[in-house]
Amino acid sequence: QKEVEQNSGPLSVPEGAIASLNCTYSDRGSQSFFWYRQYSGKSPELIMFIYSNGDKEDGRFTAQLNKASQYVSLLIRDSQPSDSATYLCAVTLGNTGKLIFGQGTTLQVKP
Amino acid sequence: GAVVSQHPSWVICKSGTSVKIECRSLDFQATTMFWYRQFPKQSLMLMATSNEGSKATYEQGVEKDKFLINHASLTLSTLTVTSAHPEDSSFYICSASTFGTQYFGPGTRLTVL
Repeated sequence: QKEVEQNSGPLSVPEGAIASLNCTYSDRGSQSFFWYRQYSGKSPELIMFIYSNGDKEDGRFTAQLNKASQYVSLLIRDSQPSDSATYLCAVTLGNTGKLIFGQGTTLQVKP
Repeated sequence: GAVVSQHPSWVICKSGTSVKIECRSLDFQATTMFWYRQFPKQSLMLMATSNEGSKATYEQGVEKDKFLINHASLTLSTLTVTSAHPEDSSFYICSASTFGTQYFGPGTRLTVL
């Protein structure tokens, strides 16, 4: 069973702090990794994708990938209350194009 | 770019009726679209993979005769919930894939009375 694990949280950080969201996956064959944000009652919205080991930065967001450790993370700098949402880690299943989702981490940014 | 629409955004129907949900990629062509279902406080559950011009591939446990999928063009896939029952009430979300990345539609909330 291919799995993606996330801490369900909630992760609570003060406004302006760095939020760190973590994800581990079991399929060593996975090649693509995604972070989606989902507000309550809404559909997921793509934040970032990463394919290669290392860091990838986009504005306040940084995705980090370590394939040897089968670990992917998302850092959110200068967290804002509007960042409060559930963050879904998703990993491709081999070459199928399908995504395996983690259960999501709920982030609460307190003003 | 990479905008996906869904229609309707919500629907209420009586038990036993059929409901069709449309998923469109507005600014790109998608040979592959995916249909998910999400129950409250749970993660997304993949129902089926829809490929343009071919039959959909259903995940284990999903009844293909109940959830009919048609991918008639590179920008349109439809999901029809046939003979809907209250247990089919859920949030149905489609995604369209381009260059290996899935973009999600806004979802359709189905309530079966």
